[in-house]
Amino acid sequence: SQQGEEDPQALSIQEGENATMNCSYKTSINNLQWYRQNSGRGLVHLILIRSNEREKHSGRLRVTLDTSKKSSSLLITASRAADTASYFCATFEGYGGATNKLIFGTGTLLAVQP
Amino acid sequence: ETGVTQTPRHLVMGMTNKKSLKCEQHLGHNAMYWYKQSAKKPLELMFVYSLEERVENNSVPSRFSPECPNSSHLFLHLHTLQPEDSALYLCASSQDLATGNTEAFFGQGTRLTVV
Repeated sequence: SQQGEEDPQALSIQEGENATMNCSYKTSINNLQWYRQNSGRGLVHLILIRSNEREKHSGRLRVTLDTSKKSSSLLITASRAADTASYFCATFEGYGGATNKLIFGTGTLLAVQP
Repeated sequence: ETGVTQTPRHLVMGMTNKKSLKCEQHLGHNAMYWYKQSAKKPLELMFVYSLEERVENNSVPSRFSPECPNSSHLFLHLHTLQPEDSALYLCASSQDLATGNTEAFFGQGTRLTVV
């Protein structure tokens, strides 16, 4: 079942600008993760934020989580052409046991123009 | 290099063929996953294995048959597929399922085309 939905579906910006992507989800979560995928390749983990955290930073990435609104945002500052990729949020459902699973959203396609 | 290796990278098969996708992880993880990624659709979770035991089967047609002989290897056996099964098949692993406070590591995927 699909859990997260990213917004916007596609985003085109100039190098140096900031890019913001949003993710909404439906059920209670243990944590929320953001991944990046270059065209036709595997996904690469970027950052994980736990349900009791509100904000997290990693290099040029900033992630926020609002559990009351069931939403998260990913901010990439000072974007580079190499940031061009699809970005996915993923939520981990379950709190132990065999039914835990990582569910991905629909993704945002980011294009950074040089 | 993520520590998860998938082979082959590309596969073209007829609808009557039988083939297998292979995934191997060198990370010492206990959980492994198969995902299907079709054009303009979200990643679909197909199967989850934890400690070599299948714990999730997301209503996947029986023409897809997973196998996990040990915690480092995961296979997806394919037979009598349909053209709509053409997609990128991604394997992933994570430390465990119990807490979920770990990231998933993905292979590069197998691009499958059914003709």
